[in-house]
Order: sequence, then structure tokens, then C-alpha cells
Amino acid sequence: DVVMTQTPLSLPISLGDQASFSCRSSQSLLHSNGNTYLAWYLQKSGLSPQILIYRISNRFSGVPDRFSGSGSGTDFTLKISRVEPEDLGVYYCLQHTHLPYTFGAGTKLELK
Amino acid sequence: QVQLKESGPVLVQASETLSLTCTVSGFSLTNYGVIWVRQPPGKGLEWMGIIWRNGNTDYNSALKSRLSINRDTSKSQVFLKMNSLQTDDTAIYYCTRDWRYWGQGVMVTVSS
Repeated sequence: DVVMTQTPLSLPISLGDQASFSCRSSQSLLHSNGNTYLAWYLQKSGLSPQILIYRISNRFSGVPDRFSGSGSGTDFTLKISRVEPEDLGVYYCLQHTHLPYTFGAGTKLELK
Repeated sequence: QVQLKESGPVLVQASETLSLTCTVSGFSLTNYGVIWVRQPPGKGLEWMGIIWRNGNTDYNSALKSRLSINRDTSKSQVFLKMNSLQTDDTAIYYCTRDWRYWGQGVMVTVSS
């Protein structure tokens, strides 16, 4: 199984700061069809996960442009340029290149 | 618009079978697959299985012996059945379409 390692576990931040999340996979997420199926989610307390980024760097409809994704192969990053109050919660990465599909353990974005 | 909604019992006895339904609208099950994901209280996300648009299925090997996913395309419903429940199957169960659209989830408690 592909292991997804997210760091840090917790990210204390001040509003307006930049936030950076790391996600590393135990093997390349490049699919034989040329796509890399790496997605990022935010889960706020009591709610379903909401997709932010799909296929490494594509923002889902309605996601603010302060969110950006990058990376390739086994190393991926999500950045928030200026954290807003509604950005607080747990961020997960997901790989759906290789079965079984697997999530990272999450990074909690919280106020300092 | 695309919507998914999970339904089923909130309390199940250990050793019994869980039956959940994901009712979808805004798209056809013959055009999109549906994925099941679960989340134990306070923990991360776990992929359970998928029913592809052609009706084929793939399951998490950790659950494969206990899990089945089926559908009724005429009713726009996907069904999850999992037997031999244990207390650690207590979780919120979500269905999602192509990892982008998620239901609100249903909290299932397995009682011993």
C-alpha cells in the first residue's frame, strides 16, 4: 500500500501568514496514463472533507486562489498565501493513483 | 447540482451487518463511480471501496472479506453492506463522487 506522510502534524499560525503543508508518498503517484492523482482536502469540525486541489495543482471550483498546490512524483505541497479564519481545520492529502487509495494522517491548522 | 446523501441505522449491534444507502442526484451512476470512505471519531479518513461506472468494484483489502458494494442505477442508489461488525467499525461513513462531491456522512455506532 502507498503510505502518505503528512508534516507537520500541527501548524500553529497567525491570521494573514503563509501556511505550507507537506505530503510525501512511499512511491511515485504518476499513473500510467500520465496523470498524478494527488488531492488536498480541508475538513472543518463536524463537516465532510471539502476538496481544495485535485491532480496536484488544480483548484476546485470556488476555491480561493490563495490556495495553491505543487509537486511531482512523491513530494507534494499545499500552500495558503494568507491564512483566513475560515481556513482553520485539518488538511488531508489523498492519493488515488494506486489501489488501495490512501490518505495522509492530516495536518491541523490552528491559531497560535 | 450534484448531491449525495447517506442513510442507514445509527446504532448497530456487534457481529451484525451494516447496511447503508447513498442516494445521488444530479448525475447518473452509469457515468460516474461512487466511493465509500469512513472516519472513526477523532481519527483520519479510510478508503473502503468503489463501485465504478461500469458496475465493477474494488475494495480495501483490510475490509474485503466483510464488505460489498452494489447499486440500483434506476433508483440512483449505491449500497454498502459490511458484516461481522465490531466496535472499531464505529465511524462516520461517507460516499463521494470522483473524490470531489461528498455526502454529509452518517454516524454509525457499533454497540457491544
